[in-house]
Amino acid sequence: KQEVTQIPAALSVPEGENLVLNCSFTDSAIYNLQWFRQDPGKGLTSLLLIQSSQREQTSGRLNASLDKSSGRSTLYIAASQPGDSATYLCAVDQPGRRALTFGSGTRLQVQP
Amino acid sequence: DTEVTQTPKHLVMGMTNKKSLKCEQHMGHRAMYWYKQKAKKPPELMFVYSYEKLSINESVPSRFSPECPNSSLLNLHLHALQPEDSALYLCASSQAGVFADTQYFGPGTRLTVL
Repeated sequence: KQEVTQIPAALSVPEGENLVLNCSFTDSAIYNLQWFRQDPGKGLTSLLLIQSSQREQTSGRLNASLDKSSGRSTLYIAASQPGDSATYLCAVDQPGRRALTFGSGTRLQVQP
Repeated sequence: DTEVTQTPKHLVMGMTNKKSLKCEQHMGHRAMYWYKQKAKKPPELMFVYSYEKLSINESVPSRFSPECPNSSLLNLHLHALQPEDSALYLCASSQAGVFADTQYFGPGTRLTVL
């Protein structure tokens, strides 16, 4: 059974810092990996999707990398802002299972 | 339009009530999902519909009954729920039959069972 782990569970940084969120998964047979953002009590917003054949994806200040063989992904946030404060979730999609398995998330607080 | 809508936003119900949650998308997606999310936990899959047919049921109790009347609409019928069923219920959709497709999530319905 696929297990997805995110480290750290919580992170507090001052505004302007660059930061890295980590995601690991136990079964490397994945179709893709997605990073989501969730604000308190709200739904999920898709940030980036990396296909299994890709190494990284970029969107604005966000960069996500994928090392499928080692079962790891990182989300890099450049020049963090208070508006980036949220919970960040990674999730993997596997062959034969048309649904996502989520990590437990990293709660990010960016201090002004 | 990349929006998935869910109604109602909030629902409070007693254990003997029958209620329904509704989810709608107009992106032409043929896969739709129900997830349950407890406080400070990640979403957990409940059901998957592909081309209006139930393809995955994650051993969900029968007091939750999904329905997909057409390709744009997904319902979750609730009956005789327990207080521990209180959670955020999230609907999502994606293109079916595509290996690496983004799932789009709705804002969720916050359910409280008294």
